[in-house]
Amino acid sequence: NAGVTQTPKFQVLKTGQSMTLQCAQDMNHEYMSWYRQDPGMGLRLIHYSVGAGITDQGEVPNGYNVSRSTTEDFPLRLLSAAPSQTSVYFCASSYQFRTSGRSPYNEQFFGPGTRLTVL
Amino acid sequence: TQLLEQSPQFLSIQEGENLTVYCNSSSVFSSLQWYRQEPGEGPVLLVTVVTGGEVKKLKRLTFQFGDARKDSSLHITAAQPGDTGLYLCAGAEDYGQNFVFGPGTRLSVLP
Repeated sequence: NAGVTQTPKFQVLKTGQSMTLQCAQDMNHEYMSWYRQDPGMGLRLIHYSVGAGITDQGEVPNGYNVSRSTTEDFPLRLLSAAPSQTSVYFCASSYQFRTSGRSPYNEQFFGPGTRLTVL
Repeated sequence: TQLLEQSPQFLSIQEGENLTVYCNSSSVFSSLQWYRQEPGEGPVLLVTVVTGGEVKKLKRLTFQFGDARKDSSLHITAAQPGDTGLYLCAGAEDYGQNFVFGPGTRLSVLP
């Protein structure tokens, strides 16, 4: 299994340009999400999906769009890039564990990230 | 919005020393995870704790979930240079699949 893959690894954009960050997973996980990581702020949730055809907003959704046409793929689109979107972007997929006698819990698996610079 | 705080923010120690890092919140989480992240890579899951008071050990790493499920700690015994990295805690809200992350503790273990 490749796990969670992301492309590209690095990207430089000019203000106003658009682009799509690709994310794919081969673990048949229903849940996928996109985070951005900025210094000193941890990871913040941008958008997430609980299954094909279903997406929802996270903490910082403005300026980003997502779609989920298949279980495997969850692309993130920047419609008109701004310098404030300079960040490292991580895609994750997760699986919910349900075991007898314990509360359900989820485990996330992250991709290697995309470092985006907007000039 | 539930918030997670981590302390210390930075920690630099010598190989062989012990250390503890903390993850705190005023909110209750249904589960809490610890990750380690190395430069240029994504976070890698170390452990998930679910039950208040739960203690899990992973070789030299000991994880504890607070009784009230609001805080957690990570203790490393006899730290090694390979333990160097950013340690992140993340709490799950209401048994859902959305997590809130702390800002991380950056650990440097010097040989």
